[in-house]
Amino acid sequence: QKEVEQNSGPLSVPEGAIASLNCTYSDRGSQSFFWYRQYSGKSPELIMFIYSNGDKEDGRFTAQLNKASQYVSLLIRDSQPSDSATYLCAPPGGNNFNKFYFGSGTKLNVKP
Amino acid sequence: DTGVSQDPRHKITKRGQNVTFRCDPISEHNRLYWYRQTLGQGPEFLTYFQNEAQLEKSRLLSDRFSAERPKGSFSTLEIQRTEQGDSAMYLCASSFVTGLGEQFFGPGTRLTVL
Repeated sequence: QKEVEQNSGPLSVPEGAIASLNCTYSDRGSQSFFWYRQYSGKSPELIMFIYSNGDKEDGRFTAQLNKASQYVSLLIRDSQPSDSATYLCAPPGGNNFNKFYFGSGTKLNVKP
Repeated sequence: DTGVSQDPRHKITKRGQNVTFRCDPISEHNRLYWYRQTLGQGPEFLTYFQNEAQLEKSRLLSDRFSAERPKGSFSTLEIQRTEQGDSAMYLCASSFVTGLGEQFFGPGTRLTVL
């Protein structure tokens, strides 16, 4: 079983819609979760983190965490073409939760 | 620019040659990480340092790979006797020891082995 599972997509949504990106993880000890955005040919950029069950909102982005279900999601409201990228979920893992296990990412296409 | 920097940004080499990459982390960060990313995959952890100590290495890091962070500041990643399978983007990230441990990535070094 992979440490992190994400739907590779592509997920296509029209401009202005809500994009929902999902991630499941296997390590029950993971306490904090990070979402990165990666444009084609660029390096990952941190956009959000969450460490408590429930929702965390930051502008158009909302992260949702359910530790019991080992599930974390990212909602992007009012999607823009500039949001088109690959979104990577990264729960820390390893002996001291010092390294990130990245999923393969979900590719999001926002169509104008 | 106070972000993570990497050099070179691109490297083309012939199979069997040795290559070395450099990473300069954010100056206050005492943790430094190396990842490798191939097309269509997320970054794979290779190794990390806390100050100058290399605390963990992935089994992906074969004997041909070595990383150093001699003074706890910049780090180098060397690949000896490169193989075509080493072609990838090599990413460096840094973070604080304390806090949530969010990692900030450099622009990466794209390696092509011919």
